[in-house]
Amino acid sequence: GNSVTQMEGPVTLSEEAFLTINCTYTATGYPSLFWYVQYPGEGLQLLLKATKADDKGSNKGFEATYRKETTSFHLEKGSVQVSDSAVYFCALTPAANFGNEKLTFGTGTRLTIIP
Amino acid sequence: GAGVSQSPRYKVAKRGQDVALRCDPISGHVSLFWYQQALGQGPEFLTYFQNEAQLDKSGLPSDRFFAERPEGSVSTLKIQRTQQEDSAVYLCFAGKPNYGYTFGSGTRLTVV
Repeated sequence: GNSVTQMEGPVTLSEEAFLTINCTYTATGYPSLFWYVQYPGEGLQLLLKATKADDKGSNKGFEATYRKETTSFHLEKGSVQVSDSAVYFCALTPAANFGNEKLTFGTGTRLTIIP
Repeated sequence: GAGVSQSPRYKVAKRGQDVALRCDPISGHVSLFWYQQALGQGPEFLTYFQNEAQLDKSGLPSDRFFAERPEGSVSTLKIQRTQQEDSAVYLCFAGKPNYGYTFGSGTRLTVV
């Protein structure tokens, strides 16, 4: 079956530090890959996505590249801000077209940025 | 999230009580999913509707869980005879292909 393994937290960084949150997956075929973010007191929001190998998703300074050879989709940001403090979830759907396929999520990584 | 409303936001139920959780997507949201998110975990799939048809209910943990979407819009997730292990946030996720999908803010269920 499909599964997502992501870096366990919590992760605490100082403002302007470099961020990497690791995510690897197991799936047949060519899944679509996602990062969702959950800010304190808010619902899950799509942060970025990639639908095929070597695609790079990016948003709000965050990036992740779909690496089929290593089955990974690591999240990176060059300089984090206090406002990036949140829980980050890596997820996949098995289809190339994000339509009627259910999401499989990792367990989430709590990120805290200290001023 | 914008466009998907869930109610109530919080629900406290006594063990053994039945509960009903509501999801109200915007018009045109063909696909609707329910997820269960336990504390400190990622969301887990419960069930999926395409319009009024329940196409996948493989994630429902027991026959105490029941979901419906009779007119292809509002959906209700019902849990009968609640137990403590049902305590979680229940998330609705709705949208349509090529348009986008949105999570609701969820209903936090606490069974005491």
